[in-house]
Amino acid sequence: DAKTTQPNSMESNEEEPVHLPCNHSTISGTDYIHWYRQLPSQGPEYVIHGLTSNVNNRMASLAIAEDRKSSTLILHRATLRDAAVYYCILRTTGTYKYIFGTGTRLKVLA
Amino acid sequence: DADVTQTPRNRITKTGKRIMLECSQTKGHDRMYWYRQDPGLGLRLIYYSFDVKDINKGEISDGYSVSRQAQAKFSLSLESAIPNQTALYFCATSDFRGADVLTFGAGSRLTVL
Repeated sequence: DAKTTQPNSMESNEEEPVHLPCNHSTISGTDYIHWYRQLPSQGPEYVIHGLTSNVNNRMASLAIAEDRKSSTLILHRATLRDAAVYYCILRTTGTYKYIFGTGTRLKVLA
Repeated sequence: DADVTQTPRNRITKTGKRIMLECSQTKGHDRMYWYRQDPGLGLRLIYYSFDVKDINKGEISDGYSVSRQAQAKFSLSLESAIPNQTALYFCATSDFRGADVLTFGAGSRLTVL
């Protein structure tokens, strides 16, 4: 299964943009890139996903490198409520199972 | 009501006891998953099921079994619980006909003494 690599933790100031990186150098051509986040004491929740093109939704933007070996989740204006663990995972072709790593713990400073 | 409901939310049991964690969903999704989360770690896949007759082992299936009683119900069993199975357990569903996005339950915290 293709793996993802993320920094263990990041900090951001409130109201500033946050760029959360993810490396997935062994991604297959048809693997989708998904991002989830887990707020304290809650189950993970879906944030965004994409295949090749950059994607935007009300929560965030996803920038995917041209070679698809990395991606970046962009929170345009971080709020205190965005403090969470962010997981970058791949929807693997064939098995279609989701393998989570340890994610990036985002701390937002007031 | 929540789309994905897990019961019990909290359970304390003793070593050697049989435990069942239940998951039910109202989303009409075919795919269901059980994950385990240990403190400070990410989620690890225990079992997944793509329909009632299709059940697959995940990364850490040893010591666990599952039952898919219906499209909406997926249970996780610990036949003889041991202390290192103390963890937070999450059930999730996804719909392959759409974006196959995961929807998680609130979690079941299990403590094995």
